[in-house]
Amino acid sequence: KAGVTQTPRYLIKTRGQQVTLSCSPISGHRSVSWYQQTPGQGLQFLFEYFSETQRNKGNFPGRFSGRQFSNSRSEMNVSTLELGDSALYLCASSLRQGGNTGELFFGEGSRLTVL
Amino acid sequence: DQQVKQNSPSLSVQEGRISILNCDYTNSMFDYFLWYKKYPAEGPTFLISISSIKDKNEDGRFTVFLNKSAKHLSLHIVPSQPGDSAVYFCAASVRNAGGTSYGKLTFGQGTILTVHP
Repeated sequence: KAGVTQTPRYLIKTRGQQVTLSCSPISGHRSVSWYQQTPGQGLQFLFEYFSETQRNKGNFPGRFSGRQFSNSRSEMNVSTLELGDSALYLCASSLRQGGNTGELFFGEGSRLTVL
Repeated sequence: DQQVKQNSPSLSVQEGRISILNCDYTNSMFDYFLWYKKYPAEGPTFLISISSIKDKNEDGRFTVFLNKSAKHLSLHIVPSQPGDSAVYFCAASVRNAGGTSYGKLTFGQGTILTVHP
């Protein structure tokens, strides 16, 4: 069974630009969550999508947005990039059904560097 | 406000001995706790979880203990192996909110475990 796939794995942008990251969940998983990992703040929840609807949102500015498609694939977008947006962006998928363990399966992440 | 804290940034253990990783939380709404392991350049990998209705859960060499009154949980690895060397994250969630928070985990800062041969 293929795991969570994130693209691109690495990218470099400059301040003010925007970026779109993509995530393909494990087949059959309908929930996709996004996390930002930085040395200072650790792993922080960005948002969760289920059935093409945002179900939860973390404490991030409106520059961070996302969406989910009918095939459960998800994208996140960061506009007007700032230096502080440099981070590892992790996508996770889960079955999100009653009685499951709540286990999230993470991808390898997209490493964004903002210059 | 850090709701999940792992106060030990690092832990060094000899192969074959027990590794104990600790985690404290402040939000009493948390009712589900998980441990993840992360190698460099990889995403976190789920290890073990525990619901707040239990105080212990065991899976092979890994055991998680939950002390709700102290808002404390710990992960025991016995025996420790060099391949266990990684960053370990404690995470918590509120699952009893009508099932709306499955994907929202609050993570601790992580503990770097090094197991020496």
